[in-house]
Amino acid sequence: DAKTTQPTSMDCAEGRAANLPCNHSTISGNEYVYWYRQIHSQGPQYIIHGLKNNETNEMASLIITEDRKSSTLILPHATLRDTAVYYCIVPSGGNTGNQFYFGTGTSLTVIP
Amino acid sequence: DAGVIQSPRHEVTEMGQEVTLRCKPISGHNSLFWYRQTMMRGLELLIYFNNNVPIDDSGMPEDRFSAKMPNASFSTLKIQPSEPRDSAVYFCASSSLAGRYTGELFFGEGSRLTVL
Repeated sequence: DAKTTQPTSMDCAEGRAANLPCNHSTISGNEYVYWYRQIHSQGPQYIIHGLKNNETNEMASLIITEDRKSSTLILPHATLRDTAVYYCIVPSGGNTGNQFYFGTGTSLTVIP
Repeated sequence: DAGVIQSPRHEVTEMGQEVTLRCKPISGHNSLFWYRQTMMRGLELLIYFNNNVPIDDSGMPEDRFSAKMPNASFSTLKIQPSEPRDSAVYFCASSSLAGRYTGELFFGEGSRLTVL
């Protein structure tokens, strides 16, 4: 199972880009990287996922290094509502690959 | 579309009592997950089902915990007897494995359990 490591906490000024790093050095070739976030007392919310190429959606961008050993989630213009815990996950589970183990994540605080 | 529906949202019970948490996954989803969240241990995967069949229950803490999925639209997580250390927020999530899985877990709002 590919494990991930993330910084425990980060701050970001409102309106600035928030760049959240994740290391997943043991990831294998067919494993995806997923990002979720959890706003206080709510259930986790899916943000984005990718395999090799960079991905972008309405919420964020995901940059995956060429060797796939790390990735960065980018919130282009952070708002106060983006304050949350962000989880980087490489699902395990063989062919189905859908066992999502949430680590401790990165607690992002967006500062006014 | 209705999301994942969990009940009850809050439950306060006394040690030794039976607790049953319920989950209705999103219609059409064929995978269902039960998680538990505490400050000390974070989000723990307890068990997950594919097509109503339990695939991995290695995260279930002990025999006091049991989970069932009698059909595609309903699952229960039961604790009998409950203990104070079971106090936590229990989340249910569902996803679709149609084709290559999308991996997007949809979470319910959680059931906050307090065992006195």
